[in-house]
Amino acid sequence: KQEVTQIPAALSVPEGENLVLNCSFTDSAIYNLQWFRQDPGKGLTSLLLIQSSQREQTSGRLNASLDKSSGRSTLYIAASQPGDSATYLCAVFGSSNYKLTFGKGTLLTVNP
Amino acid sequence: NAGVTQTPKFQVLKTGQSMTLQCAQDMNHNSMYWYRQDPGMGLRLIYYSASEGTTDKGEVPNGYNVSRLNKREFSLRLESAAPSQTSVYFCASSEGAGAETQYFGPGTRLLVL
Repeated sequence: KQEVTQIPAALSVPEGENLVLNCSFTDSAIYNLQWFRQDPGKGLTSLLLIQSSQREQTSGRLNASLDKSSGRSTLYIAASQPGDSATYLCAVFGSSNYKLTFGKGTLLTVNP
Repeated sequence: NAGVTQTPKFQVLKTGQSMTLQCAQDMNHNSMYWYRQDPGMGLRLIYYSASEGTTDKGEVPNGYNVSRLNKREFSLRLESAAPSQTSVYFCASSEGAGAETQYFGPGTRLLVL
């Protein structure tokens, strides 16, 4: 059964700092890995989708990497801002179960 | 462009009561999903519909039923609510049943007393 783990569970940083969020998964049979953002009391917003054949994807200040063989992904946020404060969720789309499996998320707080 | 909408936003039920959560999408997507989100558990798939007229069980289907009313709408029904069904319910849609991006609604917060 696929399991997705996100470390750390919570992170607090000062504004302007570069930071890395980590995601690991147990089954490397995946089609893609997705990073989502969830604001308090809101739904999920897709940030980046990395296909299993890709190594990284970039969108603005966000860069996500994927090492499928080791079962790891990182989300790099450059020059963090208070508006980046949210919970970040990692999810993998399995090629065996054909479903999205989510991690429990990292709660990020960027302090002004 | 509304995307994925859900009603109601919040609901309180007593044990044994029934209710239907409504979901609609205006993106002409083929696939729709129902998830629940619980503290410490992450999001878990309840049911999904790969295309109009089809539905399949996800990871935690017990106590729920679904109806894909048409291409736009996918409802989730609790026939006899239990306190264990207290959760936040999210509906999502995607263009296909493959590995495309899923778009999520704002959620329904359900409290079962």
